[in-house]
Amino acid sequence: QKEVEQNSGPLSVPEGAIASLNCTYSDRGSQSFFWYRQYSGKSPELIMSIYSNGDKEDGRFTAQLNKASQYVSLLIRDSQPSDSATYLCAATLSGGGADGLTFGKGTHLIIQP
Amino acid sequence: GAVVSQHPSWVICKSGTSVKIECRSLDFQATTMFWYRQFPKQSLMLMATSNEGSKATYEQGVEKDKFLINHASLTLSTLTVTSAHPEDSSFYICSARGDSSNTDTQYFGPGTRLTVL
Repeated sequence: QKEVEQNSGPLSVPEGAIASLNCTYSDRGSQSFFWYRQYSGKSPELIMSIYSNGDKEDGRFTAQLNKASQYVSLLIRDSQPSDSATYLCAATLSGGGADGLTFGKGTHLIIQP
Repeated sequence: GAVVSQHPSWVICKSGTSVKIECRSLDFQATTMFWYRQFPKQSLMLMATSNEGSKATYEQGVEKDKFLINHASLTLSTLTVTSAHPEDSSFYICSARGDSSNTDTQYFGPGTRLTVL
């Protein structure tokens, strides 16, 4: 069973601090990785995608990928209360192409004002 | 860009009836659409992959005769839940992937909340 694992939290971070979200995956052949944000009762919203080892920055968000360790992370700088949500890590299984995403169970992030 | 819509946003039906959910890509052509289901406090689970003009590929454990998927055009896929029962009550979310990108990025619709009484 190919899986994506996340700590369900809740992860509580003070406003203005850096929130660090982590994810591991079991399928060594996975090529594409995504972070989605999901507010309660809503569908996921894409935050970032990452395909290569290293860091990828977009505004306050930085995604990090380490394929050797099968590890993906998301850093949120200057955390805001509006960042409070569930963050879903997702990966495409090896074989890519039209395969759907395998999601982790999500980490519930709470930004404390 | 990359907007995906779903209709209806919520539906309540009686046990035994069928419900059709539409998923549309509004500003791009989606060669592939995906249907997911999310139960309360659970993550999204892929139900099936739908390619325009061909039969859908269902994930293990998903009944293809119960969840009928049609992808008749590059902008529309439908999911029909046949003979719905209370255990089918869930949040159904579609996503779409275009054919012009080199990435696997999927764009999600707003979801359809199904309640079966």
